[in-house]
Amino acid sequence: DTGVSQDPRHKITKRGQNVTFRCDPISEHNRLYWYRQTLGQGPEFLTYFQNEAQLEKSRLLSDRFSAERPKGSFSTLEIQRTEQGDSAMYLCASNWDRGRSETQYFGPGTRLLVL
Amino acid sequence: AQKVTQAQTEISVVEKEDVTLDCVYETRDTTYYLFWYKQPPSGELVFLIRRNSFDEQNEISGRYSWNFQKSTSSFNFTITASQVVDSAVYFCALSEATGNQFYFGTGTSLTVIP
Repeated sequence: DTGVSQDPRHKITKRGQNVTFRCDPISEHNRLYWYRQTLGQGPEFLTYFQNEAQLEKSRLLSDRFSAERPKGSFSTLEIQRTEQGDSAMYLCASNWDRGRSETQYFGPGTRLLVL
Repeated sequence: AQKVTQAQTEISVVEKEDVTLDCVYETRDTTYYLFWYKQPPSGELVFLIRRNSFDEQNEISGRYSWNFQKSTSSFNFTITASQVVDSAVYFCALSEATGNQFYFGTGTSLTVIP
């Protein structure tokens, strides 16, 4: 049984560069979530998809952040013109929508460092 | 607005001691769900338990137990006979009925000293 996977696990980039992260959810899950976690804090919700539809994106941190899930399977999170404040762990989670709150299963995260 | 407070930032216990991690939540919803996750040093959040707001029965799973009290808006987590492998950051989380968003506390870092 394959869990949620994320790639890359670590990313170091220079300020101003664009970065893209990938998340592969558990295969039967139709919902996919992105979170950001900074040091000493809990995960902070960014956005989520149900199949290919992005149903909530008002919590994305700025217009430099965007996410896609083009075929309702894997998703990508892109950060344009990275800033040092973007350094954090980016977590992906997935679950199956049954019309109520279901457990979200998390991937290992992508740790971003912006120099 | 939804909010989760974990007032204990760090806790250290000696192996085999019992430890309770506190979680207090705020919500105006009548239907909501509460969760506990464990985050070991590897970084991956591991699901521990999910409870809905209508089920106040306490739950025990091995050395883990959870005490849900709506009257005090608390969902506390107790580890009995702690082990070194329990060392991790533990997060309490809250979601509304449809589960569109999870609201996490700031976590409690537990260190179990051998």
